[in-house]
Amino acid sequence: AQSVTQPDIHITVSEGASLELRCNYSYGATPYLFWYVQSPGQGLQLLLKYFSGDTLVQGIKGFEAEFKRSQSSFNLRKPSVHWSDAAEYFCAVAPPGTASKLTFGTGTRLQVTL
Amino acid sequence: KAGVTQTPRYLIKTRGQQVTLSCSPISGHRSVSWYQQTPGQGLQFLFEYFSETQRNKGNFPGRFSGRQFSNSRSEMNVSTLELGDSALYLCASSLGPGNQETQYFGPGTRLLVL
Repeated sequence: AQSVTQPDIHITVSEGASLELRCNYSYGATPYLFWYVQSPGQGLQLLLKYFSGDTLVQGIKGFEAEFKRSQSSFNLRKPSVHWSDAAEYFCAVAPPGTASKLTFGTGTRLQVTL
Repeated sequence: KAGVTQTPRYLIKTRGQQVTLSCSPISGHRSVSWYQQTPGQGLQFLFEYFSETQRNKGNFPGRFSGRQFSNSRSEMNVSTLELGDSALYLCASSLGPGNQETQYFGPGTRLLVL
């Protein structure tokens, strides 16, 4: 069965600093990969997705992620964090060919200090 | 284009009661999925409906059920509520089966079981 690991439960960064959130997955084939963000009391907003092709994916709000097949990783990055980026971030995978049955990681809570 | 809407946003029930939650997908989307989010178990897939048929099902007891109407709106029902059913229930919609479909989430219904 597929699984997603987000090893960092909580990360604190200063505003303006760079950010990298880690995501590792376990799956037989290369799954579809996603990053979602959730603000307190809100639903999930899609940041970016990877299906195939270029391994560096650009998303909204200045985020990007890099798919590394050899490491089964899909880490999320942002060069300069803004206070409004404080939220919980979820990495998710879905079977290739469909994105309708997502398996989520446990999430990483990002705190931004001013 | 309006996003995914869920009603009600908040709900309080007592053990043993049943509850019905509603989800209206983005216009043109024909697939609706449901997820449960709890602090202990995280985000878990409940089921997916497409063209009024259940297409995928997660690992939840039979007390959890759903249906989809011809206009793609979906409802989920939980019977004989237990304290552990307290959660944020998220609905997501997508265009439907096919490569590279992407799920878009609603704000969720927060259910509290007393």
